[in-house]
Order: sequence, then C-alpha cells, then structure tokens
Amino acid sequence: EADIYQTPRYLVIGTGKKITLECSQTMGHDKMYWYQQDPGMELHLIHYSYGVNSTEKGDLSSESTVSRIRTEHFPLTLESARPSHTSQYLCASSGIRGPTNEKLFFGSGTQLSVL
Amino acid sequence: KNQVEQSPQSLIILEGKNCTLQCNYTVSPFSNLRWYKQDTGRGPVSLTIMTFSENTKSNGRYTATLDADTKQSSLHITASQLSDSASYICVVSDRGSTLGRLYFGRGTQLTVWP
Repeated sequence: EADIYQTPRYLVIGTGKKITLECSQTMGHDKMYWYQQDPGMELHLIHYSYGVNSTEKGDLSSESTVSRIRTEHFPLTLESARPSHTSQYLCASSGIRGPTNEKLFFGSGTQLSVL
Repeated sequence: KNQVEQSPQSLIILEGKNCTLQCNYTVSPFSNLRWYKQDTGRGPVSLTIMTFSENTKSNGRYTATLDADTKQSSLHITASQLSDSASYICVVSDRGSTLGRLYFGRGTQLTVWP
C-alpha cells in the first residue's frame, strides 16, 4: 500500500566504512523522516525534512547526515560506521493532510550491522 | 515529561480469541493518538488515528478507544488470526508545531498461536 522504498534491506559492513542508506517515495510527500529502532525499544527520530533543501536533526543525537535534493529522495549517510551504529533504520513520509490528521507511511527498513 | 507507556509488554493468545492492548500517555498538549502494527523486520503500518473528539475508531477487526480525560487508549483485536502476530505501537502527537511531535511507545509484542 505504501509507495516508500528503502535499500538495502540488510547491510553488514566493517568498522570505518562509509555507507548510504537509500529512501525513495513516489507519493509526492513533502515531509520525510529517518527513525532509528533497536529491538524492543521505541522509535527515535534522527533526521527530518519538510521539503527540498530543508533538513533538520531530530531528537536522538546521530553521527549520520542526510540530504534532500529531490522531493522523492532522502538518503542517510554514515561517513565512518561503528559497531554502535548497529540498528534498524526506518524511513517515513507524510503528506499535507492537516496538523491533526497526518498519516505516516514507513518503508520496510534497513537492518544495519557494523562489525 | 511527555511519555507513552504500553502494556502488556508481550502477550500470547490462541487463534480466534480476542485481546486488548493498553496505552497510557502523559503527552500535553494532545493532538492525536495513533496505533501502528509492525511485523518483524518491517516498517510500522497505520491502523487508526484518533483526535481529541473521537473516542472510538474501527479498522476491520481492530477497534481503538480513546479517553482523553484519563489519557488512556486501548486497541481491541477481535477473533485473532495468526497474521495478527506483530508488535503494536501506540504513538501520541502533541500540538507543538504544524506536524506535531510524535511520542512512541515501546510496543506490545502479540503472538497468536494456532
């Protein structure tokens, strides 16, 4: 139902590597988000964007960076991965339906393991 | 401190039985409350969204209730199926911005046995 895609689904890399997690949506949504989720824990917002060339840091401090050059694309980059970055990363988007009725659509997530 | 607490942490029921999941929150000012279903290894999928004025909303076999006075919500699942096995997440939005900030619970892990 949701036209939001994340790649890769799983990624295992060594410490110190640079990685980019891809997220694309075809719904024309202005707002996009990156969340981090550890097993049995709540989602934490790490980055968000309200439109092209607009990016903000979320609630959880993160060493990652994001960019929003196109409406449909919101990649997340880790310049130097560490084992502490091991987690599931979820991308989401929402359209403009009013401040009290916005529905979030999530991608399937990227499970990152840093060895 | 704005928080969302869910109970129970985990639940096992037999196929065909009903169950109720609880969500208590302290988020203020309140905008809306959402229930999401998250299958293992997947992203959450929206089940219901309720605003202050709504006290019940249904989506198939899922019925959510909201008591804004006591700041409690419940998700009732009727005639459970094996495919209902998932984590159910309660999310509350405040009115701090045009989006509203989202506060996530840790979820209730539901397992349905045949």
